[in-house]
Amino acid sequence: ETGVTQSPTHLIKTRGQQVTLRCSSQSGHNTVSWYQQALGQGPQFIFQYYREEENGRGNFPPRFSGLQFPNYSSELNVNALELDDSALYLCASGEGTSLSFEQYFGPGTRLTVT
Amino acid sequence: DQQVKQNSPSLSVQEGRISILNCDYTNSMFDYFLWYKKYPAEGPTFLISISSIKDKNEDGRFTVFLNKSAKHLSLHIVPSQPGDSAVYFCAATRGGADGLTFGKGTHLIIQP
Repeated sequence: ETGVTQSPTHLIKTRGQQVTLRCSSQSGHNTVSWYQQALGQGPQFIFQYYREEENGRGNFPPRFSGLQFPNYSSELNVNALELDDSALYLCASGEGTSLSFEQYFGPGTRLTVT
Repeated sequence: DQQVKQNSPSLSVQEGRISILNCDYTNSMFDYFLWYKKYPAEGPTFLISISSIKDKNEDGRFTVFLNKSAKHLSLHIVPSQPGDSAVYFCAATRGGADGLTFGKGTHLIIQP
């Protein structure tokens, strides 16, 4: 059973640019969530996808968008990057049932916006 | 408005003793609580969880206690081991598509 993987590990972008981060969910999981973790903070929920549809969203603007593919891999897209978008971006997958709310995290992508 | 609070940024405990990490929450709609452990350069690792209908859940050296009336939960690690040194995050959710709401974390340091 493979865990959650993310790519790339690190990324440096310039303010105003667009970025795409990728995630491969743990085998057997059909929900994927994305979190932003700023330095010294806990992860903050961006959104969740279930069966390729966004079904939950945290307090993030529309320039944060995503996709989930039939094989349950996922992308996070951020447009018009701002300096405050510099953070660790974590992907997490889960079983998507009412009996299990555990989510399993990947190692993250460290995004630096200059 | 921080709905999940971990008021101790760090905690130092001697190896072999009990580590107690605390967490408070404000949202009474939270239905499920989780603890995660995070090492540097890794994602958070799920440790243990508890449903709001229970007051205790145990898994090996880890026990989570939930006091709903006080909106407080705690994680007990007995005995503490050097490999337990990490940042511990408390998280809560209403379930469904709500996502997890995390505290800021407590850095646990196990002293030899």
